[in-house]
Amino acid sequence: QKEVEQNSGPLSVPEGAIASLNCTYSDRGSQSFFWYRQYSGKSPELIMSIYSNGDKEDGRFTAQLNKASQYVSLLIRDSQPSDSATYLCAVNPNRDDKIIFGKGTRLHILP
Amino acid sequence: SQTIHQWPATLVQPVGSPLSLECTVEGTSNPNLYWYRQAAGRGLQLLFYSVGIGQISSEVPQNLSASRPQDRQFILSSKKLLLSDSGFYLCAWTGGPYGYTFGSGTRLTVV
Repeated sequence: QKEVEQNSGPLSVPEGAIASLNCTYSDRGSQSFFWYRQYSGKSPELIMSIYSNGDKEDGRFTAQLNKASQYVSLLIRDSQPSDSATYLCAVNPNRDDKIIFGKGTRLHILP
Repeated sequence: SQTIHQWPATLVQPVGSPLSLECTVEGTSNPNLYWYRQAAGRGLQLLFYSVGIGQISSEVPQNLSASRPQDRQFILSSKKLLLSDSGFYLCAWTGGPYGYTFGSGTRLTVV
């Protein structure tokens, strides 16, 4: 069974520090990888996508992909209280568009 | 630009009553459409997905059903709700092997 694993947290990070969120996936042939942010009571919002090994930066966010280790991470630099949310890792194992979601990591930025 | 609409935002229904949740997408054609449920403290569970009008695939057998009467309309239904049907229902769409865009969700409480 194809799985996406995340530490449920909560992960507490001081304001201004770097938050590091990690995710592993089981299907070695996975093609596409996504990070979603979900505020309490709201729907998930796509914040990063990554398709090839290495780093992808967008503002304060950096997604890292290592297909050999089947590992995806999200770094948030200069963490702000508004970054406090649940972060969902999602993987598309093939090209049929059915994404598998992890259960999410709760991130709490301490003011 | 593409937008996704989902309603109602909240719903309180008695056990045994019917259910109809609607989702529409604007600004695109032939989207892949998805219904997810997120129970309290749990991950996203894929319920149904559709790649075209009248084409519905069910991921989890249960007392829910889905229909796609028009290209950009996706409906989730039940004839008789159970207490276990309570949750946060999310509609999503994608136009290719990219991340999903979610609607704002419906918070369903079955009492």
